[in-house]
This record gives sequence, C-alpha cells and structure tokens, in this order.
Amino acid sequence: GAGVSQTPSNKVTEKGKYVELRCDPISGHTALYWYRQSLGQGPEFLIYFQGTGAADDSGLPNDRFFAVRPEGSVSTLKIQRTERGDSAVYLCASSSGLAGVNEQFFGPGTRLTVL
Amino acid sequence: DAKTTQPPSMDCAEGRAANLPCNHSTISGNEYVYWYRQIHSQGPQYIIHGLKNNETNEMASLIITEDRKSSTLILPHATLRDTAVYYCIVRVGWGAQKLVFGQGTRLTINP
Repeated sequence: GAGVSQTPSNKVTEKGKYVELRCDPISGHTALYWYRQSLGQGPEFLIYFQGTGAADDSGLPNDRFFAVRPEGSVSTLKIQRTERGDSAVYLCASSSGLAGVNEQFFGPGTRLTVL
Repeated sequence: DAKTTQPPSMDCAEGRAANLPCNHSTISGNEYVYWYRQIHSQGPQYIIHGLKNNETNEMASLIITEDRKSSTLILPHATLRDTAVYYCIVRVGWGAQKLVFGQGTRLTINP
C-alpha cells in the first residue's frame, strides 16, 4: 500500500518568507509526527498529533513554527518569517496510534533551503 | 527516555555479519530498545525492537544483555544496501510517542 508522502520534495525560499510543508500519512494511522534533520545530525522531534489534536508540541523551536491536522489525516507544517537556520530536511512519520508498540513509518522528507 | 551511546562509525565486509553495539546503562524497566536505520536521502526505517528477550525478524537480530544495559543489532549477512546510519533508541514502548534520535552509527559495507 501507499506509504507516507510529503510535498514538495524540495523547497527553496528567501529569508523572511512563509512556507508550508505537507504530509500525507498512511491511511488509517491516527498518530502523525514531524521531525527535522540538519546535516550530519539525527532527526529532531518537533510535534506529534493524535487525531486532530497536538498531543506534544514540545519540540517546536519557537512561535514561527506551527502545525495543523484539521481532519485527522493530512498535516501541514507552517513556518513564518523563515530564517537561514531553518534550512533542514523536514520528516513526517505516522503510526497506528493504537496501544502497544507503535512502529513509525517515515516519509522521504522535504528539503527546505532558506537563502 | 534513557540515553544511548553508539560508536560513530563501523565498517563491515559484504557477506559478513555486522554487529552494531549500543549502550543504554540508564534504561528503565518499562523501556524498550528500538533500532531504526536511515539510508542516504531517505527517511528512517524501523528494523526491530525488544524489551529483554532476544528478538529476530527478517531484517536482523537483537541481542539484549541480561542486565539490559547494552544491546547488539546483528545483520547476519550484510549487503551493500545495508550501508546506512543505524540508530539505537530507548523509550517506553506503549502507545504513540516521539522518538529521540542520537547521532547513530554510520555503517559502511565494503565489497
């Protein structure tokens, strides 16, 4: 079946601009996660949704970052007033959200470059 | 979640077993050991997890010491496609929760 998809695969923007990154999770998965990965580092947690609500947003670095999941499926990560330090690969993952061990399935990521 | 320590890099010859160590000396009784890997330019991929018993699946085997303070991921017959960064993660196993990635081990399989 279809895996997690993310669009766009690459995004180049200028400092100060607004960007939106989209994630389509595996159908039926109630849990959705956003991570970001800087060059040479492991992925860093940003936020996780259980259904439509953000269950843990402790990883969002500041109030320029915001994410939504209005219908409990597709999610959008929004970054306002982008800075060069926001350049990274943004990864989305989903899991079943059921009790028990939850394997996370990752998408290919969106590479964001802020000039 | 408990902290893990892994060697930054390892090499292994193609066809041989790759043994990747992980130390997690502060692991709690309800924490599982997970392994993920990330092939270049792809998202991380789940490999295996365990609590205290050794585990095996079609990808790998996981050996956890009796005191649970360390573990080893074994790729029994490494291929070039196994070249990747391997992450050992310790976390409470139940339910949907974030993963806390460290630096991982960069495994290079040589022909």
